[in-house]
Amino acid sequence: SQKIEQNSEALNIQEGKTATLTCNYTNYSPAYLQWYRQDPGRGPVFLLLIRENEKEKRKERLKVTFDTTLKQSLFHITASQPADSATYLCALPAGKSTFGDGTTLTVKP
Amino acid sequence: DAGVTQSPTHLIKTRGQQVTLRCSPKSGHDTVSWYQQALGQGPQFIFQYYEEEERQRGNFPDRFSGHQFPNYSSELNVNALLLGDSALYLCASSLFVPSGLNEKLFFGSGTQLSVL
Repeated sequence: SQKIEQNSEALNIQEGKTATLTCNYTNYSPAYLQWYRQDPGRGPVFLLLIRENEKEKRKERLKVTFDTTLKQSLFHITASQPADSATYLCALPAGKSTFGDGTTLTVKP
Repeated sequence: DAGVTQSPTHLIKTRGQQVTLRCSPKSGHDTVSWYQQALGQGPQFIFQYYEEEERQRGNFPDRFSGHQFPNYSSELNVNALLLGDSALYLCASSLFVPSGLNEKLFFGSGTQLSVL
């Protein structure tokens, strides 16, 4: 069955730096991949979707890349702020929306 | 425009009991999916309801059952609760897609279930 892995459980960076989160998947060729943000005690919030024929997608300070050869997506937050501190989840649209376990980002002032 | 609402927000039960969780989807959405999220893990798909029928199901035992009402709201029932059922239960709504590939899910804030 398809499997999705987010490489880092936690990532700590200084304010103003770029955060880069990694999502790898196996046993699947998704038509697209999604990224969500989750704050403690809240449900995930949709951020971005990138399709298999798109190399890169941007939304404000967010950038997502999708490499179907490497079976990997990278999620970047540029000029990071303490308010960006949250858990970020990637998800495959495998009919059942398979989620990774997330990477918890902490941005320190 | 109300988003996805879930009730109750918190619940404490003891082993062996039964629990019912409720969800109202975002206005205009017709499909409801339920997820279980253990601490430190990603959401795990339980099942999806559309047109009052279970359309897809994840790897959860029959103790987990659900229902969807004509107004698209949904319930999740868990029987014979185990300690391991303690988790955040999330409801997500979307518009039905025949392929089953939901491009965007809208989540509620969840119900935190503690089983003692």
